[in-house]
Amino acid sequence: EIVLTQSPGTLSLSPGEKAILSCRASQSVSASYLAWFQHKPGQAPRLLISGAFTRATGIPDRFSGSGSGTDFTLTISRLEPEDFAVYFCHQYGGSQTFGQGTKVEIK
Amino acid sequence: QVQLVQSGDEVKKPGASVMVSCKASGYTFSSYGISWVRQAPGHGLEWMGWINTDTGNTNYAQKFQGRVTMTKDTSTSTAYMELRSLTSDDTAVYYCARKDCRGDCFLYHFWGQGTLVTVSA
Repeated sequence: EIVLTQSPGTLSLSPGEKAILSCRASQSVSASYLAWFQHKPGQAPRLLISGAFTRATGIPDRFSGSGSGTDFTLTISRLEPEDFAVYFCHQYGGSQTFGQGTKVEIK
Repeated sequence: QVQLVQSGDEVKKPGASVMVSCKASGYTFSSYGISWVRQAPGHGLEWMGWINTDTGNTNYAQKFQGRVTMTKDTSTSTAYMELRSLTSDDTAVYYCARKDCRGDCFLYHFWGQGTLVTVSA
């Protein structure tokens, strides 16, 4: 099983600041099958990025994904008030697994 | 538009069973598989298994084998997940999600709203 470790656990930032979230895999993620989701309480997870760097339909370009192999990053270039949420990564190959999440909170 | 609407929250006693439904709309139900994923309080997401909504074939995570059954009703575009022999460790929000790629690929663009299952004596 591929274990995904996200860091930091919590990121305290102000609106307008840049957020950099990390997702490290215990072994290489095949075909860059790595996705990022935004998750707010009481809501369904929202797909942001698939294939490590491809934004999903309707996702603003302040969200960007990068990385390959075992190290992946989600960057939010300038935080908007609605971006404060939990973000988790997901490797969606055959034996899929999820990261434990990073909470982006208002400083 | 694509929607997955799940059944309401449940409270169950230890040892009981729970069935959660997931009604799909806005697309051809049998064209996309449905996975079930849960999140226990303070934990990350955990994949439970999936059902091929065309053939009815299922694949369950080893942890849940023997205790979970996933079914579908094509006539109502609804997928079901039954979990038996509940313990307090099964207290979680359960989600259905549409499998949006083929083969050994489990990308989810669309999710249900979640169903809270609370197991308490």
